[in-house]
Amino acid sequence: NAGVTQTPKFQVLKTGQSMTLQCAQDMNHNSMYWYRQDPGMGLRLIYYSASEGTTDKGEVPNGYNVSRLNKREFSLRLESAAPSQTSVYFCASLVTGKYEQYFGPGTRLTVT
Amino acid sequence: AQSVTQLGSHVSVSEGALVLLRCNYSSSVPPYLFWYVQYPNQGLQLLLKYTSAATLVKGINGFEAEFKKSETSFHLTKPSAHMSDAAEYFCAVSEDGNNRKLIWGLGTSLAVNP
Repeated sequence: NAGVTQTPKFQVLKTGQSMTLQCAQDMNHNSMYWYRQDPGMGLRLIYYSASEGTTDKGEVPNGYNVSRLNKREFSLRLESAAPSQTSVYFCASLVTGKYEQYFGPGTRLTVT
Repeated sequence: AQSVTQLGSHVSVSEGALVLLRCNYSSSVPPYLFWYVQYPNQGLQLLLKYTSAATLVKGINGFEAEFKKSETSFHLTKPSAHMSDAAEYFCAVSEDGNNRKLIWGLGTSLAVNP
């Protein structure tokens, strides 16, 4: 049982490049989330998926797209990276009816 | 709308001293409240949660928190700090009753001095 896994762990992009952050969970959880964490700003929700086939915008969705490929996987795509997207990205999952979110180890992204 | 305020972005204590990390919330519905811990270069881990049962909640690593509705507070405490407690601590409140979305505080960095 690996929990929530994220790939890659580190990534450096140039402005304008695109990339997809991958997230997978093996706990049969329904809801999944993408956050970004910036110094002094806590965690901000980018997108979430309450169940397979559904996605909703969070607090800071601009510049991102997501895909809930199946129950296990929830990917985050940056179509044209900008320096303002330099951040640490966390994926999390939650069983409906439970209360805690389970977090992955994060992806540290730098956009130059 | 729900919100969370963590008083003090940095807290420093001596090893063996009391740890007190403050969290106040606003919520239009009975809240679910959480404390998470983040060790350096790791993801977040649940410390404890309040889900409308006992107001004094015990968590992992000797931490506990008390829900005080009259004060809209959910402060985190530990009687005796250990060096391994040095980390970032986040308070969060559930935005909806289904707990699908959490509203997060900005975090408090705890330093433990020998």
